Amino acid sequence: GAVVSQHPSRVICKSGTSVKIECRSLDFQATTMFWYRQFPKQSLMLMATSNEGSKATYEQGVEKDKFLINHASLTLSTLTVTSAHPEDSSFYICSARDPGGIWTQYFGPGTRLLVL
Amino acid sequence: AQTVTQSQPEMSVQEAETVTLSCTYDTSENNYYLFWYKQPPSRQMILVIRQEAYKQQNATENRFSVNFQKAAKSFSLKISDSQLGDTAMYFCAFMKHGGGGATNKLIFGTGTLLAVQP
Repeated sequence: GAVVSQHPSRVICKSGTSVKIECRSLDFQATTMFWYRQFPKQSLMLMATSNEGSKATYEQGVEKDKFLINHASLTLSTLTVTSAHPEDSSFYICSARDPGGIWTQYFGPGTRLLVL
Repeated sequence: AQTVTQSQPEMSVQEAETVTLSCTYDTSENNYYLFWYKQPPSRQMILVIRQEAYKQQNATENRFSVNFQKAAKSFSLKISDSQLGDTAMYFCAFMKHGGGGATNKLIFGTGTLLAVQP
């Protein structure tokens, strides 16, 4: 149980285009999902908290118009990187909080984004 | 604000030996959770073990156990009988209990890269 999937696993795009990353909780309903960014050999940096049916909460310094988050259902959250630039190249990881019992976060396998 | 500190950037251990990874945290909260996550070369974050702050008993999961010292705000991870598959980055993380949404975010340490040598 507690499986989270992410799609795509890897994406290469041209500068100026938008990229959508999907995060799904496969066997539980997640009212809250989280989006992280991880640079090589560094820790995870929380970008935003995604709540089903409401607006996402962004961390300080994260541009909400640049990183659009939609949590339209209890099992799906999407992150859209708009007008991507090379500096947006990174590893993006989502997690979903299982509210049953202990509030543990389960992580997706991550998406590697390369902007040319 | 809560902070999590992992003072060992890298560690090495021989296969079958025991290794302890250190983690300290700072918080004024009384109710919280602590976690150890493992990130192997595949970069998939895997939950290793979790501890509720209100529980005095140290959590154990097979070869993994923690030494939770609430007063000292210390949460170390012990890996017994180390295996080659334990080679990974290990992250200690803190989460405040209660509330909802953004209040349940994880705060990660900087990680410890563990190499298990054959």
